[in-house]
Amino acid sequence: RKEVEQDPGPFNVPEGATVAFNCTYSNSASQSFFWYRQDCRKEPKLLMSVYSSGNEDGRFTAQLNRASQYISLLIRDSKLSDSATYLCVVSGTASKLTFGTGTRLQVTL
Amino acid sequence: DTEVTQTPKHLVMGMTNKKSLKCEQHMGHRAMYWYKQKAKKPPELMFVYSYEKLSINESVPSRFSPECPNSSLLNLHLHALQPEDSALYLCASSQVSAAEGAYEQYFGPGTRLTVT
Repeated sequence: RKEVEQDPGPFNVPEGATVAFNCTYSNSASQSFFWYRQDCRKEPKLLMSVYSSGNEDGRFTAQLNRASQYISLLIRDSKLSDSATYLCVVSGTASKLTFGTGTRLQVTL
Repeated sequence: DTEVTQTPKHLVMGMTNKKSLKCEQHMGHRAMYWYKQKAKKPPELMFVYSYEKLSINESVPSRFSPECPNSSLLNLHLHALQPEDSALYLCASSQVSAAEGAYEQYFGPGTRLTVT
């Protein structure tokens, strides 16, 4: 089983739609969780950290379910500029982040 | 300021060349990282420096040699690379992680390396 698993997509959604991604992780001792976005041929950029209480930043909401070992990202009112690959990232041991393979989102007119 | 800079942006080198990649951050972070990323794959950790000391080497071949001259700078020295080493090389920085979890890492724009 992979340490961090994501549906690779692509998810093709129209502008204005709501889209949700899930990610599962295998290490129950993981303590830190993040979503990064990566545009084609660019570096990963931190989108948000994911806390046990959930986290919301504008149109983006992240949730953590420790019991089931999954993390979710919800994007409301999708924009064309949201088109990117979304990487689920989980801390293994301190300093080491484990990246999922990413979920590709394509928002269309 | 959450900027990490990397030079050069692009590098083409032959298998007998020696070159260096450079990374700089001014966020006061004391942990710095080198990652390698191939197309359509996630970043793979290569090295971690914590307080300017090498703390993690992910069994990287010796043709890659990291160096951390001070708390703001990180270099990756390249020698006798193979064509399969062609990839995007990313530098990142963060606060030093505590036992209870890892801090967010901030990435530079990367150096796109082609080995011919």
